[in-house]
Amino acid sequence: GEDVEQSLFLSVREGDSSVINCTYTDSSSTYLYWYKQEPGAGLQLLTYIFSNMDMKQDQRLTVLLNKKDKHLSLRIADTQTGDSAIYFCAESGDSGYALNFGKGTSLLVTP
Amino acid sequence: GAGVSQSPSNKVTEKGKDVELRCDPISGHTALYWYRQSLGQGLEFLIYFQGNSAPDKSGLPSDRFSAERTGGSVSTLTIQRTQQEDSAVYLCASSLKGVSPLHFGNGTRLTVT
Repeated sequence: GEDVEQSLFLSVREGDSSVINCTYTDSSSTYLYWYKQEPGAGLQLLTYIFSNMDMKQDQRLTVLLNKKDKHLSLRIADTQTGDSAIYFCAESGDSGYALNFGKGTSLLVTP
Repeated sequence: GAGVSQSPSNKVTEKGKDVELRCDPISGHTALYWYRQSLGQGLEFLIYFQGNSAPDKSGLPSDRFSAERTGGSVSTLTIQRTQQEDSAVYLCASSLKGVSPLHFGNGTRLTVT
């Protein structure tokens, strides 16, 4: 299957910005997604971007897409301790419905 | 309901036993997915249902795994003769249609002893 790669860990101080990066290989992906998973919970959809866009902003979240480099990033402004979680990047892949997920980036926000 | 509901939330079973996991999708969502999340791994696609179409079973890891969706709503994932490597969190998701964002349940944590 197609690969989605993310760094495994990120640690930031409360109030700083966090940037989580993701690379993917399937150039046919129509949508790219960011999900958040807190301990013991399922995946919560944070935001998504259509492949013909290069940026999407939603309150503290900014998604940047570089389609040429197949690079997606999620920036969280003014990171709070409640943002500590695992963040998954996903792309819609060949099928257009079955999402391919990265292994997740564990974000730790320290006071 | 307000979200995707899965039951049980936790299941401990002995190796060799069969288990059934249940998923109740968001009302009106025609697409339903099962994923598996193993420790340290990403999410592994298992099976996809869309309306009355034949399901995409390409992700099922072995013939011990099967799933059905009755009446286009509730789905059950059945694992026969469970093995220790089946221990994982099984996540169900639904979407309004096949290309919409997926909405996940909280999962069933399966432990095979």
